[in-house]
Amino acid sequence: DIVMTQTPLSSPVTLGQPASISCRSSQSLVHSDANTYLSWLQQRPGQPPRLLIYKISNRFSGVPDRFSGSGAGTDFTLKISRVEAEDVGVYYCMQAKQFPITFGQGTRLEIK
Amino acid sequence: EVQLVESGGGLVQPGGSLTLSCAASGFTFSTSSMNWVRQAPGKGLEWVSYISSSSGAIYYADSVKGRFTVSRDNAKNSLYLQMISLRAEDTAVYYCATSLRSSDYWGQGTLVTVSS
Repeated sequence: DIVMTQTPLSSPVTLGQPASISCRSSQSLVHSDANTYLSWLQQRPGQPPRLLIYKISNRFSGVPDRFSGSGAGTDFTLKISRVEAEDVGVYYCMQAKQFPITFGQGTRLEIK
Repeated sequence: EVQLVESGGGLVQPGGSLTLSCAASGFTFSTSSMNWVRQAPGKGLEWVSYISSSSGAIYYADSVKGRFTVSRDNAKNSLYLQMISLRAEDTAVYYCATSLRSSDYWGQGTLVTVSS
């Protein structure tokens, strides 16, 4: 199984300041079809998960452009350029290169 | 508007059975692969099962293999998860989600509680 490791597990951030979450996979996420199936999900308190970014850096419909994804191979990053109050929640990276699909442990974003 | 609406959750005794449903609308269900993902109370996300658009490819997490069965009815735009021999550790909110490889949608979830 591919193990997804996120850092940090908790991130206190000041409103208006940037935030960054890292995700490392135990093996390359480059599929034989040349796509890299790495996604980022946001889960606000009491809500279901919501897709933010897919295939490393593609923002999903309706996702604000303050969210961006980058990386390659086994190392990936989610960045929020200026944190807003509505960004509070838990963020997960997820790999869908192979089964079983696996998730990172989650990073809790909170406001200082 | 894409909608995924899960139903069928509830309280069941250990060893019992339950079938979850996911009603899809707003997209071409018959050409979309689908997944079930669960989340135990206060825990992270755990993928449970995958079914391709034609039901030709099906995968399960080791933790549910042999006990859960995923199926779909493309004529009814519906996804199912039949669960037997339920254990306390199966207690979770169960979400249906589309392919998990691109622009994907998640349902609101349905809670399954396994307890005597």
